[in-house]
Amino acid sequence: GAVVSQHPSWVICKSGTSVKIECRSLDFQATTMFWYRQFPKQSLMLMATSNEGSKATYEQGVEKDKFLINHASLTLSTLTVTSAHPEDSSFYICSATGTSGRALDTQYFGPGTRLTVL
Amino acid sequence: RKEVEQDPGPFNVPEGATVAFNCTYSNSASQSFFWYRQDCRKEPKLLMSVYSSGNEDGRFTAQLNRASQYISLLIRDSKLSDSATYLCVVVNGGRYGGSQGNLIFGKGTKLSVKP
Repeated sequence: GAVVSQHPSWVICKSGTSVKIECRSLDFQATTMFWYRQFPKQSLMLMATSNEGSKATYEQGVEKDKFLINHASLTLSTLTVTSAHPEDSSFYICSATGTSGRALDTQYFGPGTRLTVL
Repeated sequence: RKEVEQDPGPFNVPEGATVAFNCTYSNSASQSFFWYRQDCRKEPKLLMSVYSSGNEDGRFTAQLNRASQYISLLIRDSKLSDSATYLCVVVNGGRYGGSQGNLIFGKGTKLSVKP
């Protein structure tokens, strides 16, 4: 139980395009989803937190207009990187936590999406 | 001072060796502590929680020293499959409270177990 999937697992795009990454909780209702970013040899950094049905809360230094987050249902959150640039190339990982069972008070991570912007 | 600091390693050890990792954290109000394991180009996976009384899970022992703001992970009888990066994670409670608060990750300590 408590499985989180991400799609796509990797994506290569041209500079200036937008990329959407999906994060799904497969067997539990994710009341809260987190989006992280990890650059090579760096630690995971929290970008934003989203609760189902409400606006995401962004960490300091993360542009909300560039990284659009939608958490429209209890099993799906999306992160859209708008007008991507090479410096946005990174490993994007989501995590989800729920209100019951194994997902209670524990963040379960998706497998990550590796974004390369040319 | 960084919120969570770890020796990046790498620690290169032979199979069967005992290896210890240390981690320090800066926020004395931190509430929860974890060790995660991250394989190359993969997501982090929870290895174990860290309690004030210390806890053991098979070959893995984690300890917390709140006074020194220090966390440790001991791996006994290392296996080749233990090769990974070990992430020290601290939860400060933050705006969500409890263990759903912000996870603050260290950069990780890389372990390489050789035959």
